[in-house]
Amino acid sequence: DAGITQSPRHKVTETGTPVTLRCHQTENHRYMYWYRQDPGHGLRLIHYSYGVKDTDKGEVSDGYSVSRSKTEDFLLTLESATSSQTSVYFCAISAGDRGGYTFGSGTRLTVV
Amino acid sequence: QQQVKQSPQSLIVQKGGISIINCAYENTAFDYFPWYQQFPGKGPALLIAIRPDVSEKKEGRFTISFNKSAKQFSLHIMDSQPGDSATYFCAASIGSSNTGKLIFGQGTTLQVKP
Repeated sequence: DAGITQSPRHKVTETGTPVTLRCHQTENHRYMYWYRQDPGHGLRLIHYSYGVKDTDKGEVSDGYSVSRSKTEDFLLTLESATSSQTSVYFCAISAGDRGGYTFGSGTRLTVV
Repeated sequence: QQQVKQSPQSLIVQKGGISIINCAYENTAFDYFPWYQQFPGKGPALLIAIRPDVSEKKEGRFTISFNKSAKQFSLHIMDSQPGDSATYFCAASIGSSNTGKLIFGQGTTLQVKP
């Protein structure tokens, strides 16, 4: 999807284990975002980044951390996965002239 | 904290009909209102967007109507087609459209019957 890839696409993990999701962009955009999508809740912002090593919390950041050591990569880590973190996770980057975001294809995470 | 409320949750429309999805917001500082379309297994994709200095924006069969005083905006899909069947999200943000954090509505699942 327009220079943004997420990995893995699917993951099943056990409660209490750490999990890292990766977002990689080739657009050289400054801003990157992590959202989670759950039925009835739409998309909720977890964390975002406005530059290398510059990150901030969104509305549902508890239990998540992020890192951005390079412009192209934005990592989301679940320090100790819980069943409530079972969700579809989307990464997004700023979309340039048209405004808005470009989203990746998502990572479906199941915590058992 | 539901800053953007979207309705209905689901919608069934006959082919050729008009689909209407509504959103209401609370924060008067919002100044950018996009709509996203999402197909199963895919990420949301920007469909159309509006700023509060205009009351309507049209792109093909898709129209956003914006009512600043009522703090409401809606998406109209004219001549709805089965290929329009998807989940639609409204959103809102403050500041530059490239940097402002987007707050999303809950989503509407649209089914267009042949």
